[in-house]
Amino acid sequence: QLQLQESGPGLVKPSETLSLTCTVSGGSISFSSYYWGWIRQPPGKGLEWIGNIYFSGSSYYNPSLKSRVTISVDTSMNQFSLRLSSVTAADTAVYYCARHQIRDLSLSGIDYWGQGSLVTVSS
Amino acid sequence: EIVMTQSPATLSVSPGERATLSCRASQSINSNLAWYQQKPGQAPRLVIYGASTRATGIPARFSGSGSGTEFTLTISSLQSEDFAVYYCQQYNIWPLTFGGGIKVEIK
Repeated sequence: QLQLQESGPGLVKPSETLSLTCTVSGGSISFSSYYWGWIRQPPGKGLEWIGNIYFSGSSYYNPSLKSRVTISVDTSMNQFSLRLSSVTAADTAVYYCARHQIRDLSLSGIDYWGQGSLVTVSS
Repeated sequence: EIVMTQSPATLSVSPGERATLSCRASQSINSNLAWYQQKPGQAPRLVIYGASTRATGIPARFSGSGSGTEFTLTISSLQSEDFAVYYCQQYNIWPLTFGGGIKVEIK
């Protein structure tokens, strides 16, 4: 059974960089039928897509965050990571890592999610 | 960016009744739409993809329909475990976008 697990600091100071890692177990991150991505959810609010990455390293980002976001993949560790720079209180959220299916060479639904990691931005 | 609009924001339904949730895209997304269910304190769960295909393990009382810009998720007979927030998401083009969610609550 595939599992995704987020890890990283739960508290980040304003203006600093948020860093999270997602460890994938029970399956290879290098399988060609999936994108890997990050989604966040501020407390009491809806879901916001942050970005996706393919095992080859090609990536897509939300334009509203693009100048501050980097998603990278480490196939040797079966992990992918999120870095969000210059954070403010507005970046306080539960951050989910997730697996996006690819069907018939096109993107499809998100079939696996991590449990989520609450990151609070505060001094 | 494609804007996804869900309505109503809250749907009050009695157990055993039918629930109809709507999702509208600001431009055509063909059938590239997914629905997710989220319960408090949990990660979302994929319910429907391709606008109408049930995900693995999803009961037959869940059905999805629509294409282009108008989509519907129907729960034919609400069970206690179905009360949750439901989000639609388009994956037709980048950036991927979610609707604001519909809370299905007990009437």
